[in-house]
Parts: sequence; C-alpha cells; structure tokens
Amino acid sequence: GAVVSQHPSWVICKSGTSVKIECRSLDFQATTMFWYRQFPKQSLMLMATSNEGSKATYEQGVEKDKFLINHASLTLSTLTVTSAHPEDSSFYICSARDRNLHFGNGTRLTVT
Amino acid sequence: GENVEQHPSTLSVQEGDSAVIKCTYSDSASNYFPWYKQELGKRPQLIIDIRSNVGEKKDQRIAVTLNKTAKHFSLHITETQPEDSAVYFCAASVEGSGYSTLTFGKGTMLLVSP
Repeated sequence: GAVVSQHPSWVICKSGTSVKIECRSLDFQATTMFWYRQFPKQSLMLMATSNEGSKATYEQGVEKDKFLINHASLTLSTLTVTSAHPEDSSFYICSARDRNLHFGNGTRLTVT
Repeated sequence: GENVEQHPSTLSVQEGDSAVIKCTYSDSASNYFPWYKQELGKRPQLIIDIRSNVGEKKDQRIAVTLNKTAKHFSLHITETQPEDSAVYFCAASVEGSGYSTLTFGKGTMLLVSP
C-alpha cells in the first residue's frame, strides 16, 4: 500500500544549529503534505501545510522563519528547524494523502 | 475553525471488556471522521473511519458511530486485548474541497490489563 517515508527517525543536535527532516511519498504523488508536532502525552498539532511548487501555509502561532518548509517535488517535502532550541525538542510527523491520510514514522528531535 | 473534544483522556479495562471513546466536533460542515491508534513512539495508524453519509461502521471488533445532529462520534472496541493498549485519536475534517486538514482530539490512552 501507499507509504510515506520520513527521515531521520531521530536526531540530536546542539542548540543554535539547524536540522532538516525529509518526508517522501513512496508510491504516489502528493501535491500537499502536512507537518505535525507532538509533545509527550499530547495530541498531534498541525504546524503547516506544504504545497508543491508554492509557499507553505502555516498554522497560527507557528513561526515560518523558524520552521522552513520546502516542497520542491511531488514526492518530497522538507522541514528545516532553524536555530533549534531545547523547547523545539519534540516528535515531528509528516503526512500525505492519496485516498487516505498516511503518516510518516516521525522524527524525534532532541535539542541539547 | 474546527474544535474536537475527546473523552476520556485515559481508560483502563480488563481484557475481554468493551471500551468506548467519545468525541464531539464543532463544525457542522465536517464530514469525515477517522480514528487513529498510536503506539508509543510510532506513527498514528488509521484503524477505522466514517463519513457523514452513514451512521455506523464496523470492522471486526471495532465500530464507529456518528450522530450528525448532536455532532458526536464514538469508537467502540469489543473483546479488548492487551495489544489494543495504545493512544487513540479521533479527528474531523471537511472533505471534498481541495485538500483538507484534520483536527485531532487530545487522545485517549487505553490500557487493557490481562
């Protein structure tokens, strides 16, 4: 079936550095992908909607200059956390849809 | 925008019992209601969904009911097993208008004791 691949599955970085997370749709084309953030014991919160060939749409309260999204092809969206801080430590999950919504495996980011 | 409330936040049952998780939504335009199961540190997995043109859907031990008038929908798990232990999320969205974004409930941690 349809699969969404997310990489890396976990990353540890130092405060002030940037981290890039990739989300790929493996056997279908996705003009739209979604990026979520999930803090421990909390629900998935939509951060932004990634649109192929155009600017992402960010949810209220999400800094677009901090969370850079690029959707350069129909199968790849990237989320770059710039100048990461410990409070950015979280579980980041992408998703894309064909008939159903498919989630990536998630990326656990730890900022030290 | 849409607001989805989910109850209870935690639910403990004995193996073999039934479990019910309830959600309400605020946007009467919402017409798609999926349920996801998420094990610790893993991606959410779609377990069942329902669209607003039906009132009930069943898949083996799992069923979902929808009351459009009251704007609430429920997940029913019968004959629970320890492997059903996970966090369950309900969600709601408006389908059919280009792309749609899901609004998730806060989740229910289900613990099934042997």
